[in-house]
Amino acid sequence: AQSVAQPEDQVNVAEGNPLTVKCTYSVSGNPYLFWYVQYPNRGLQFLLKYITGDNLVKGSYGFEAEFNKSQTSFHLKKPSALVSDSALYFCAVRDKNTDKLIFGTGTRLQVFP
Amino acid sequence: NAGVTQTPKFQVLKTGQSMTLQCAQDMNHEYMSWYRQDPGMGLRLIHYSVGAGITDQGEVPNGYNVSRSTTEDFPLRLLSAAPSQTSVYFCASSYPTGEGQETQYFGPGTRLLVL
Repeated sequence: AQSVAQPEDQVNVAEGNPLTVKCTYSVSGNPYLFWYVQYPNRGLQFLLKYITGDNLVKGSYGFEAEFNKSQTSFHLKKPSALVSDSALYFCAVRDKNTDKLIFGTGTRLQVFP
Repeated sequence: NAGVTQTPKFQVLKTGQSMTLQCAQDMNHEYMSWYRQDPGMGLRLIHYSVGAGITDQGEVPNGYNVSRSTTEDFPLRLLSAAPSQTSVYFCASSYPTGEGQETQYFGPGTRLLVL
């Protein structure tokens, strides 16, 4: 079965420092991977996706993610965190047979001033 | 475009009551889905639809019914609410094939409390 894991419930980082939110996946074949962000009392918003091509994917709000096939990871990164980046981040993998998105449990990012 | 809209935003039910959560999208998306979000469990797929007249079960379908009579609307019905259905419910939609298929657009959510 296809799945994603987000090993950290919360990540704390100081404003201006780089941030990483971790995601590992387990899929058969080539994965379609996504990151979504959820701000308080809002629905999820798409950040970026990896379908094929370059392993480094750039997305919205200065975020990027690196696809690493050997480590089955798709970590979300940003060179310089902002307080406004504080939110809940979800990694997801798409089941290519059913189009279902399978979500991780989420990681809460807290950026301190 | 209004995108994906959901009503109501918040609802309190008593055990055994029924209700319908409404979801509509104006992007002509074929694919629509319902998720529930619970603390520590991420989002879990309840039901989904690949087009009008076609629905299928997701990961946690028990206690919920759906129908898809039009492309725009995808209501979720709770026939007899239970406290275990207390959750935040999100509706999402996307294109069925080609570029953009994989990106889902989410509604703002419905917070449901079952007493």
